[in-house]
Amino acid sequence: GAVVSQHPSWVICKSGTSVKIECRSLDFQATTMFWYRQFPKQSLMLMATSNEGSKATYEQGVEKDKFLINHASLTLSTLTVTSAHPEDSSFYICSARDGSGRKNTEAFFGQGTRLTVV
Amino acid sequence: DAKTTQPTSMDCAEGRAANLPCNHSTISGNEYVYWYRQIHSQGPQYIIHGLKNNETNEMASLIITEDRKSSTLILPHATLRDTAVYYCIVLVTGGGNKLTFGTGTQLKVEL
Repeated sequence: GAVVSQHPSWVICKSGTSVKIECRSLDFQATTMFWYRQFPKQSLMLMATSNEGSKATYEQGVEKDKFLINHASLTLSTLTVTSAHPEDSSFYICSARDGSGRKNTEAFFGQGTRLTVV
Repeated sequence: DAKTTQPTSMDCAEGRAANLPCNHSTISGNEYVYWYRQIHSQGPQYIIHGLKNNETNEMASLIITEDRKSSTLILPHATLRDTAVYYCIVLVTGGGNKLTFGTGTQLKVEL
C-alpha cells in the first residue's frame, strides 16, 4: 500500500511553545489529508480536513487558531500546535488519500506523533 | 455516514479464525464498508473494503450480508501480531470523504 510518513514520531515541548508536525505522502499525491487526535484508551477524533491550496476545514470544537494547518503541496501537510498546554498532550495522526482521481480508494495513515507538553 | 456497532472486545486463539462482526443497519446504497485496525501506539492500517460483494485480500476476507446491514471481517489464521483494535467504518467514497472512527473491537489473540 501507499506510504504516509509523519515527523516527528514523538516530541516533548514546554508549555507555551509551538510544535509543528509534518505529514508526507511518499509515493502518491494527496489533494486531501486529514488530521486526527487520540487520547489514551479512546478512539481517533477527526480534527480537520486539509485541502491542498485552500484553507483547512475544522471539526466542531477544534480551535483553528490553536491548531494551524497548512497544505502547501500535494505531498505535504503540516499541523502546528500553538501555545501548547499539557492538555494538548496526545497522539496526533494524519491520513491521506490518493488524489489521482480514482474513486473507491482507501486512506493511508501515518505512524502518528506522540506529543507531550510539560 | 451510517453509524456502526461493534462488540467492545473479542478473544481468539492463535491459529484459529477471528470473525469480527459489524452492524450497519442504516447503511445507504452508495456507502462502502471499510475495515481498519490499529495496533497499540501506531497509526491505523487499512485492511479491506467492499460495497456488496464479498472481498478477499492477503490480509482478510470481508463478508457482507445480502441486505448489507451487517458484515464480518475474517482473519483466517490469527496470530499474536493481529492483536489490535479493529474499526468498521461505512462511508461514501471520494477523495475528500473523511473516516469517522467509532470505538472498534479490541481483538486479543492468545496462545
